[in-house]
Amino acid sequence: NAGVTQTPKFRILKIGQSMTLQCAQDMNHNYMYWYRQDPGMGLKLIYYSVGAGITDKGEVPNGYNVSRSTTEDFPLRLELAAPSQTSVYFCASRTGLAETQYFGPGTRLLVL
Amino acid sequence: QQQVKQSPQSLIVQKGGISIINCAYENTAFDYFPWYQQFPGKGPALLIAIRPDVSEKKEGRFTISFNKSAKQFSLHIMDSQPGDSATYFCAATAGANNLFFGTGTRLTVIP
Repeated sequence: NAGVTQTPKFRILKIGQSMTLQCAQDMNHNYMYWYRQDPGMGLKLIYYSVGAGITDKGEVPNGYNVSRSTTEDFPLRLELAAPSQTSVYFCASRTGLAETQYFGPGTRLLVL
Repeated sequence: QQQVKQSPQSLIVQKGGISIINCAYENTAFDYFPWYQQFPGKGPALLIAIRPDVSEKKEGRFTISFNKSAKQFSLHIMDSQPGDSATYFCAATAGANNLFFGTGTRLTVIP
């Protein structure tokens, strides 16, 4: 199993540009999550999904959108990038039977 | 508002020493308290977790102490090793979907 994979590893965006951060898992997990990690702030939940076709907002959803058309994939969309979205983004997944979340390696995003 | 408060922000320990990281919470609905370990450039990985019906859980050199009445829990790393140098996050959740993380502790173990 590859576990949770994320692409790209690093990206530089200009203000106002849009992009999609990709996340995929091959563990057949129903639950998937997007977090952002800022220095000294820990991780904050952006969006999560409990299964294909079902998504919900977390603590900091503004400026982001998600979709979940398949069990495996959970992309995160930034429509109009802002400097405040400079962060490291982590995707995670878990089964419905346990609380343990498995994290991907992260995507570092710099908005200039 | 930080749901889980973590201290210290950074910690330096000699090899063989005990590392102690503390966390506190307010929401009594929290029912699962994991600790995650993160190495530079990597995603967090579950280290150990506890539920509020026990006061202590030990796995190897890692122990969680849980004080339900004080709404505090802590991670103890015994016989700390240079390979333990990483950032540690406590977290808490009620129902497992919204995991609230502490702000992290950067641990450095000096050989």
